[in-house]
Amino acid sequence: DTEVTQTPKHLVMGMTNKKSLKCEQHMGHRAMYWYKQKAKKPPELMFVYSYEKLSINESVPSRFSPECPNSSLLNLHLHALQPEDSALYLCASSQDVGGAGYTFGSGTRLTVV
Amino acid sequence: GDSVTQMEGPVTLSEEAFLTINCTYTATGYPSLFWYVQYPGEGLQLLLKATKADDKGSNKGFEATYRKETTSFHLEKGSVQVSDSAVYFCALGNRDDKIIFGKGTRLHILP
Repeated sequence: DTEVTQTPKHLVMGMTNKKSLKCEQHMGHRAMYWYKQKAKKPPELMFVYSYEKLSINESVPSRFSPECPNSSLLNLHLHALQPEDSALYLCASSQDVGGAGYTFGSGTRLTVV
Repeated sequence: GDSVTQMEGPVTLSEEAFLTINCTYTATGYPSLFWYVQYPGEGLQLLLKATKADDKGSNKGFEATYRKETTSFHLEKGSVQVSDSAVYFCALGNRDDKIIFGKGTRLHILP
């Protein structure tokens, strides 16, 4: 298995909703990442998990809450989002941290209404 | 800090034309360099990479050479196809557990 699987592919949520994005990989990768991508922009790093521990939080608002239950799973819990949080959320994994190259999932397209 | 600069798009070419997308970087140390491709509605795919100076990455007819002296990693393809239409991101990976992306270049190939 050489893929990163993200669910759901599309999500529409209200500003008072709580939802979660899920990411799964079975490549034995030890680093996992959340990125946010707005239209016609490059991906922006949000969080990095290394060996199931949060190693980087790029000053992301607390309405985004990451969780890494085990080495294969990564979640992003969403609560009280704003319309400007609408974007493509990408998960990625890599063999290890340090620029080895990422495998990206196909993303969750989130719309906040 | 580390950064990546790539040519502005969109780039429009006819099928079978030669492609060059320029990319230069600024980094401390010896980063790894990457080209990622994003097709419409999809996530990013690693197209090719190079981990040290003078390495050449290649895949699907695309090539890029890690040039330390000019801090460049230009993407080339000898004969593009309509199916190559996508957004291409140059990126570098450093020791800070991050990959830094350029702004992306949108490529349109006309039949």
